Amino acid sequence: EPEVTQTPSHQVTQMGQEVILRCVPISNHLYFYWYRQILGQKVEFLVSFYNNEISEKSEIFDDQFSVERPDGSNFTLKIRSTKLEDSAMYFCASTDPTGAQPQHFGDGTRLSIL
Amino acid sequence: AQSVTQLDSQVPVFEEAPVELRCNYSSSVSVYLFWYVQYPNQGLQLLLKYLSGSTLVESINGFEAEFNKSQTSFHLRKPSVHISDTAEYFCAGRIYNTDKLIFGTGTRLQVFP
Repeated sequence: EPEVTQTPSHQVTQMGQEVILRCVPISNHLYFYWYRQILGQKVEFLVSFYNNEISEKSEIFDDQFSVERPDGSNFTLKIRSTKLEDSAMYFCASTDPTGAQPQHFGDGTRLSIL
Repeated sequence: AQSVTQLDSQVPVFEEAPVELRCNYSSSVSVYLFWYVQYPNQGLQLLLKYLSGSTLVESINGFEAEFNKSQTSFHLRKPSVHISDTAEYFCAGRIYNTDKLIFGTGTRLQVFP
């Protein structure tokens, strides 16, 4: 069964540095998402992306964050000037060309800011 | 307010016993409802979904959930659990007129031998 894949599985970064989290959505999917889960808290929506632009973003997704689909397969989340509170599990998800649910999630990237 | 509420943070149960994990949603959440399971050190896997039609939906591993509009609930049940069902279970709903999911806080199901 096709899967959403995320790399790396664990990223350790110094505070203030930039980090890029990578995702390869399911190949025929056109809707892409990032969520995050701070340890012990609920999974929170960050941003959705369709047709090479952001379709929706949450209050969390401020100017520190950006997303990009640099080629036909990758979908990236960039976090600039990382802060301690950015430490979390970041999940990528995608849905099929109709946009119909459900969203299929990757295994996540655990981001640790030191 | 937009919310999905899971009333139990932890549910301990013995193997082969029945279990119910509770989920309620607010009226601003659409009737697209989901249960995801997260095994240790793994990502979110879709367990089952309700989009329309029959209010009782089933998964391949024996879980079922019933959509109850009047009670705004989507509780997850299994008549007989296994050790391998030990995991975190998340209820989620899609917000009307958006494509984002809102998640509950999760319920940790711990199955004991």
